[in-house]
Amino acid sequence: DAKTTQPTSMDCAEGRAANLPCNHSTISGNEYVYWYRQIHSQGPQYIIHGLKNNETNEMASLIITEDRKSSTLILPHATLRDTAVYYCIVRSPYNAGNMLTFGGGTRLMVKP
Amino acid sequence: DTGVSQDPRHKITKRGQNVTFRCDPISEHNRLYWYRQTLGQGPEFLTYFQNEAQLEKSRLLSDRFSAERPKGSFSTLEVQRTEQGDSAMYLCASSLGGVSYNEQFFGPGTRLTVL
Repeated sequence: DAKTTQPTSMDCAEGRAANLPCNHSTISGNEYVYWYRQIHSQGPQYIIHGLKNNETNEMASLIITEDRKSSTLILPHATLRDTAVYYCIVRSPYNAGNMLTFGGGTRLMVKP
Repeated sequence: DTGVSQDPRHKITKRGQNVTFRCDPISEHNRLYWYRQTLGQGPEFLTYFQNEAQLEKSRLLSDRFSAERPKGSFSTLEVQRTEQGDSAMYLCASSLGGVSYNEQFFGPGTRLTVL
């Protein structure tokens, strides 16, 4: 699975959009980009995933650059409950066990 | 079914003791994963099961660790002769196997403290 690079921490004002970047310059053509988040004292929670196209669900949007070397997770209207560590993970479909390789993630602090 | 559950949530033990954790996955999920997370780090994969078969073990899983999933439902993770370095959060996750992009659902974790 390709390695990812994320900023260590970010702040966002409540009600504003939170844009969390991820660099995955060594991603290969069949690898998916996944985002999970971990709120304090809880297990990680799946947010969204994508391959090439931008994706949106009820939690967030995922924007993947055309060359697929980077992506951005967008929380359109951040709330205090979105304060968490956000993990960007690249996973190969040939990873038979589908285990996740977490990096350090980005600690997002949403402030009032 | 309300999700993945783990028991206990917290365990404090003395060095050298054995401890066992339990994970109950989402009932229709055939895959079950164990991860370990130390303070300030992301979770690290330990092992996974497809039904009752343990298919992969990380090199992080020393001989003192053993995991079982006897009937393909709940799983246990035992740590023998605990060491202070075993102090961590132990996370369990489950998913439907067979599709590469299936999300994993995590439990709340068991926090182990070895004194």
